[in-house]
Amino acid sequence: GESVGLHLPTLSVQEGDNSIINCAYSNSASDYFIWYKQESGKGPQFIIDIRSNMDKRQGQRVTVLLNKTVKHLSLQIAATQPGDSAVYFCAENSLPGGGADGLTFGKGTHLIIQP
Amino acid sequence: DGGITQSPKYLFRKEGQNVTLSCEQNLNHDAMYWYRQDPGQGLRLIYYSQIVNDFQKGDIAEGYSVSREKKESFPLTVTSAQKNPTAFYLCASSPFSNQPQHFGDGTRLSIL
Repeated sequence: GESVGLHLPTLSVQEGDNSIINCAYSNSASDYFIWYKQESGKGPQFIIDIRSNMDKRQGQRVTVLLNKTVKHLSLQIAATQPGDSAVYFCAENSLPGGGADGLTFGKGTHLIIQP
Repeated sequence: DGGITQSPKYLFRKEGQNVTLSCEQNLNHDAMYWYRQDPGQGLRLIYYSQIVNDFQKGDIAEGYSVSREKKESFPLTVTSAQKNPTAFYLCASSPFSNQPQHFGDGTRLSIL
């Protein structure tokens, strides 16, 4: 079965507000996590990643938080803009020690921006 | 401009036919991957290759085949044995060992 999942299939936020997208994973051996953004008809676009030796990582307008105790991952998007409308996926590579294995994806959360 | 190119963007298959989806990358990445995406679903791994002339089955390899004769190319064949081939197919690549995967813009396969 799938080891990575999302709490909500759809999230609607007002433009300018902050968005928080959540992800739960079940494999405690997972050591690398990625967030992707997918627009309609396109391939996923890399947003940010985090390794299991970190709790937090920040990028431009985005922050990823990792809570290994409860196996929870979140993506925070600051000052949400219309261009942020997309489906967001979390993914994990659970191969210990690294290696070019495939990723396990969650089902995705559709972020809708209200004007 | 470096990236991953998938072709064609749309593909139609008749019953009993094999079809091949193209994936080319000029990122000089060692690893390449094929995923399948069904509506409202996440991506599922079909095959991956860490190096030329070597590839491994993913979670849903049945009915598919691949080859990796060149570093930059990783074509996927959807055979007639794949009974439910209608899906969005995505190719990705990454440098070896736990690095972000970069995706192409996909091929949408439908059955006539």
